[in-house]
Amino acid sequence: DSGVTQTPKHLITATGQRVTLRCSPRSGDLSVYWYQQSLDQGLQFLIQYYNGEERAKGNILERFSAQQFPDLHSELNLSSLELGDSALYFCASSLSIAGGRETQYFGPGTRLLVL
Amino acid sequence: GQQLNQSPQSMFIQEGEDVSMNCTSSSIFNTWLWYKQDPGEGPVLLIALYKAGELTSNGRLTAQFGITRKDSFLNISASIPSDVGIYFCAGSSTGNQFYFGTGTSLTVIP
Repeated sequence: DSGVTQTPKHLITATGQRVTLRCSPRSGDLSVYWYQQSLDQGLQFLIQYYNGEERAKGNILERFSAQQFPDLHSELNLSSLELGDSALYFCASSLSIAGGRETQYFGPGTRLLVL
Repeated sequence: GQQLNQSPQSMFIQEGEDVSMNCTSSSIFNTWLWYKQDPGEGPVLLIALYKAGELTSNGRLTAQFGITRKDSFLNISASIPSDVGIYFCAGSSTGNQFYFGTGTSLTVIP
């Protein structure tokens, strides 16, 4: 168990809908990262938040947004869903202290199926 | 976004054999991480490397941070059936954003 939790584990929805994925980082970790993994694909970095603020942005679509709350949990919002958004969405967390040795610990993922 | 070149893409080996895989980047990194992912599960951290030339072991797994800082290697000795999965490397130059390899799919034949 990595200590990173994600809910829900599975999500089935229809095209055009909006969903929210939730992530709680490991205790003490300040950074949260979101990744998308499509079938047989690698991990595509979407976005990073550090202590409530956006720190880095990857291949995140404009239909997607995220935020990190004061208690450090994060939500990834996916709107106007398309069939191609079906994927595993992972959250990872890290301590992110300047000069520190970084590692990322992954949650179990949310499997999204858009029908 | 940037992806690392990871090879081989897949491996089919007999139980008991040793395994080697590597990851290369066009950029210099100061951190290399190796993960194992089972189907439908989240990647699990195996080994973290922070210094060029560093050699770190975790049981039967050994990873090395390449001297050029543009590559890393993972070896698995005496493979067993539970080693089956996809192995990913990840590298970072800033300590913030990590770039992931394309994965090596390992199949162990009993």
